[in-house]
Amino acid sequence: GDSVTQTEGLVTLTEGLPVMLNCTYQTIYSNPFLFWYVQHLNESPRLLLKSFTDNKRTEHQGFHATLHKSSSSFHLQKSSAQLSDSALYYCALGGGYKLTFGTGTSLLVDP
Amino acid sequence: GGIITQTPKFLIGQEGQKLTLKCQQNFNHDTMYWYRQDSGKGLRLIYYSITENDLQKGDLSEGYDASREKKSSFSLTVTSAQKNEMAVFLCASIDNYEQYFGPGTRLTVL
Repeated sequence: GDSVTQTEGLVTLTEGLPVMLNCTYQTIYSNPFLFWYVQHLNESPRLLLKSFTDNKRTEHQGFHATLHKSSSSFHLQKSSAQLSDSALYYCALGGGYKLTFGTGTSLLVDP
Repeated sequence: GGIITQTPKFLIGQEGQKLTLKCQQNFNHDTMYWYRQDSGKGLRLIYYSITENDLQKGDLSEGYDASREKKSSFSLTVTSAQKNEMAVFLCASIDNYEQYFGPGTRLTVL
């Protein structure tokens, strides 16, 4: 079946440093959709980014990610972390009606 | 815009009890979902429904039932609550590949 792997459970970094959260996936779909959802404390998850185009960078709210089908990856990046970026980030894979979520990465940004 | 509401917000149950969680959406979306959120385990799909009266099992359906009698509502039943169980249950609907989540029901079983 489908699976999504987020290797870091917790990432802690200082404000102003770059962010990179890893996401790799396995799927039977030849044209999967990849997503990043963000969940701030006491809120529900909401969509941050989505992509279904190989090797095309997608950006939103200062974050960006590129789907690489050759390496089955969709890493989330930001050039400079802000305190308000502290949240739980989920990578997700879709190919039909279902989304398969990773276990999530908690990002903690310190001043 | 639209909104997803979930009731109750907090649910405290006893071991072995049957518990029902409700979800309503006014987006007019066809497909709805129930997820369980546990710390360190991500969001796991329990049931989803493509349209009214349709039910599809997710990876975590054992121990749960679901009902979709109207397009706007999707209910989840915990058939027998497990002692010391604590989790958040999230309802969602989807449009153009984007899932919209409700605020969640936090379950505690004593």
